[in-house]
Formats: sequence, C-alpha cells, structure tokens
Amino acid sequence: KQEVTQIPAALSVPEGENLVLNCSFTDSAIYNLQWFRQDPGKGLTSLLLIQSSQREQTSGRLNASLDKSSGRSTLYIAASQPGDSATYLCAVGSNYKLTFGKGTLLTVNP
Amino acid sequence: SAVISQKPSRDICQRGTSLTIQCQVDSQVTMMFWYRQQPGQSLTLIATANQGSEATYESGFVIDKFPISRPNLTFSTLTVSNMSPEDSSIYLCSVEFSGGYNEQFFGPGTRLTVL
Repeated sequence: KQEVTQIPAALSVPEGENLVLNCSFTDSAIYNLQWFRQDPGKGLTSLLLIQSSQREQTSGRLNASLDKSSGRSTLYIAASQPGDSATYLCAVGSNYKLTFGKGTLLTVNP
Repeated sequence: SAVISQKPSRDICQRGTSLTIQCQVDSQVTMMFWYRQQPGQSLTLIATANQGSEATYESGFVIDKFPISRPNLTFSTLTVSNMSPEDSSIYLCSVEFSGGYNEQFFGPGTRLTVL
C-alpha cells in the first residue's frame, strides 16, 4: 500500500525567502507525481506534474524534483510571496490512482 | 486542462437524508474520480467512475453508501446516502484525460455539513 508523507506539516517564513517542501513515498513503482495547492475551503490547483522518467519540472518560481529510487520529491519555491500562503499537497500516481500526503501548510508573512 | 464545476458548492443536511453532488466538465474525459477530504485530513479516493461501466470503489467505501452515476463523458454524480455527522467533509471530483500523462484536474469541491 502506497503511503505518502510530507514534511514539515506547517511552515512560516518571511516574504522573500526561498523554501523547500518535502514529500516521500513508500512504493517507488509510480508513473507520476503531482504537486497541488489548496486554498482554505477550496479545491485543488495543479502546480506541477513530474513523470516517472523525469527528474524535475519548473514553472515560474516553482521547481519540483523527483528521485524515484529513493522515494522522494521536493518542491522549491523561490522568492516567496504572501500570495503563496496555502496548503501544498503532494500526490503520487500508482495503481491507477493518486495517493495524497497530508500536506504542508505554508504561511508567508509580509 | 479543463473547466470543472460542482453543484452544490456547499450544503447543510440533516442526518438520515441523502445528497447528490454533480460534477460537470467542459470537455469529454475518460476517467473521473471522487474524493473525500475530512476536516483536517488529506484527500482519500472514494471511487473511480468510467463511462459505460460500474464505478470501482476503494477499500472502506461501498456502493450502497456512495452510489455513483456516469451517464456520459462530461458528467458524473456522487450520492452520499443516509448521512451521519461523520460524513461531514469536502467532496471533490477530478478528471483525467486520455493521453494526458495521467494528470488529474480537480473541481472546486462541495462542502457538506451533516447535523
């Protein structure tokens, strides 16, 4: 059974800092990994998708890496802004479904 | 990507009643999924709904409690039956396009409170 862990559970940083969110998974037989953002009471916004054959993906200030063999992914956010405040969810695609971590609650203080 | 809408966006229901949640997509999709997000928790897959076949339920979820319909390639419904306060959650649908690297896109969710 796939299990996904995200560390830290919560993170508070001042505006402008670069930060890293971590995701680990137990079964390396995955076909992709997605990072999502969820604002309070809202649905999920897809941020980045990494295929199992890829090492990283970039979108603007976001960079996600994947090390499938070690079961790890990181989401790097450069020059954080208050608008980045949200819960960030990592989801691993395997066995025709996504398995989610519990998320990292990010607060960026002005 | 796709534009995905859900109705209702939120509801407050009495225990013992049922609620049907609708999910509409603006383009045809092969696979649709229903998730539950209980308060303070992450998302848990309830079932996968493919057009033309019965929904496939995950362990811990049964059709009598969460019947699903998928009448065409752009629409699905999830019913939460005989509700109890433990069913209070956000229910989200997602879609996956064929040939789209298995990327899922999510609707805005339905926030359900059962009294």
